[in-house]
Amino acid sequence: GDSVTQMEGPVTLSEEAFLTINCTYTATGYPSLFWYVQYPGEGLQLLLKATKADDKGSNKGFEATYRKETTSFHLEKGSVQVSDSAVYFCALSVGTSYDKVIFGPGTSLSVIP
Amino acid sequence: DSGVTQTPKHLITATGQRVTLRCSPRSGDLSVYWYQQSLDQGLQFLIQYYNGEERAKGNILERFSAQQFPDLHSELNLSSLELGDSALYFCASSVESGGETQYFGPGTRLLVL
Repeated sequence: GDSVTQMEGPVTLSEEAFLTINCTYTATGYPSLFWYVQYPGEGLQLLLKATKADDKGSNKGFEATYRKETTSFHLEKGSVQVSDSAVYFCALSVGTSYDKVIFGPGTSLSVIP
Repeated sequence: DSGVTQTPKHLITATGQRVTLRCSPRSGDLSVYWYQQSLDQGLQFLIQYYNGEERAKGNILERFSAQQFPDLHSELNLSSLELGDSALYFCASSVESGGETQYFGPGTRLLVL
């Protein structure tokens, strides 16, 4: 079945460090891919998305490129800030129906000053 | 603020009891989704309603049920509660049934003692 795998956390980085959170997926068909972020005590927010191969989603300095050949959608940021501390979820939805979004397990990121 | 509201914010109850969680979607959104987030299971899709009708079902237990009312708010009913039902329950909404972007509420934290 369709699934999402993320690198295990927690990830701890110093401020201004480079961030990569790996995400790979298994899906039948051609999924849309998403990164959601959950700040402490809050619900999830869509961070970025990509709907077809080679698309790059970007927002707030974060980027992810839809790589069909490697079935990956890794999240990157060049210089993290303390305010980026959160849990990051990779997710997919398949086909023309986005009724079911399948989430990865989440990766917790802590950025220390 | 996503525009999705959930009440109550916290709920403490005993095993065997029944509770109702409430969600008001963003203005104009017709779809409501319910998710359960727990430490061991991660974020699990439970059920989706679109304009009052059940649209998709995920890993929802038979003890759980939901409905969406004519004013589009939704309620998730959890009965015969067990310790393992302790979790964060999120509601999300989107414009259409196939809405790619889901907007999440702040969640209801349920503790079953």
